[in-house]
Amino acid sequence: DTEVTQTPKHLVMGMTNKKSLKCEQHMGHRAMYWYKQKAKKPPELMFVYSYEKLSINESVPSRFSPECPNSSLLNLHLHALQPEDSALYLCASSSQAINTEAFFGQGTRLTVV
Amino acid sequence: DQQVKQNSPSLSVQEGRISILNCDYTNSMFDYFLWYKKYPAEGPTFLISISSIKDKNEDGRFTVFLNKSAKHLSLHIVPSQPGDSAVYFCAAIALIQGAQKLVFGQGTRLTINP
Repeated sequence: DTEVTQTPKHLVMGMTNKKSLKCEQHMGHRAMYWYKQKAKKPPELMFVYSYEKLSINESVPSRFSPECPNSSLLNLHLHALQPEDSALYLCASSSQAINTEAFFGQGTRLTVV
Repeated sequence: DQQVKQNSPSLSVQEGRISILNCDYTNSMFDYFLWYKKYPAEGPTFLISISSIKDKNEDGRFTVFLNKSAKHLSLHIVPSQPGDSAVYFCAAIALIQGAQKLVFGQGTRLTINP
């Protein structure tokens, strides 16, 4: 099973809303990631969790708040977003071994209105 | 500062022929490279990878070549099939504070024509 599951697949939210994106994997991976992808651009790293601890924050605005409740789950809490935050949000996971592939979920298409 | 570059935004190949996608990198500290395939509105799918200690890795129709001195890698798909039409991303792994970060190129849109 190399599946990373993201919910919801699509989300439309207003600028004053609070919402959460969810990600789940059951591959026993201890590294989990959030990436953001804008149209016609490559994915850009936002956060990395390693053993449920935040390892990397790529200077992401505080309106994005990640959470890793356990080794299988990763959330991204959204609050007071801007229209320019509309994008495809991708979750990924990998084993803790160095130089291993990351497996991506299908993504959540977020539209901020 | 783009450390991984795919200079061809698009490539069109006839079905059955070879597709060659190219990628260049600037950071000599990179020592592991991956290729991902992406369909619209889906997440990237891992295809094949290569370590810097090798110059070739093959998996079925897919072969990745690495020229470390030129800081260049390429993905060969042969024979190309219509289902191969997608955007292909080259990526390198950077290690930061003990964690892995994928650094992606801009992607190449491959179209396989019947």
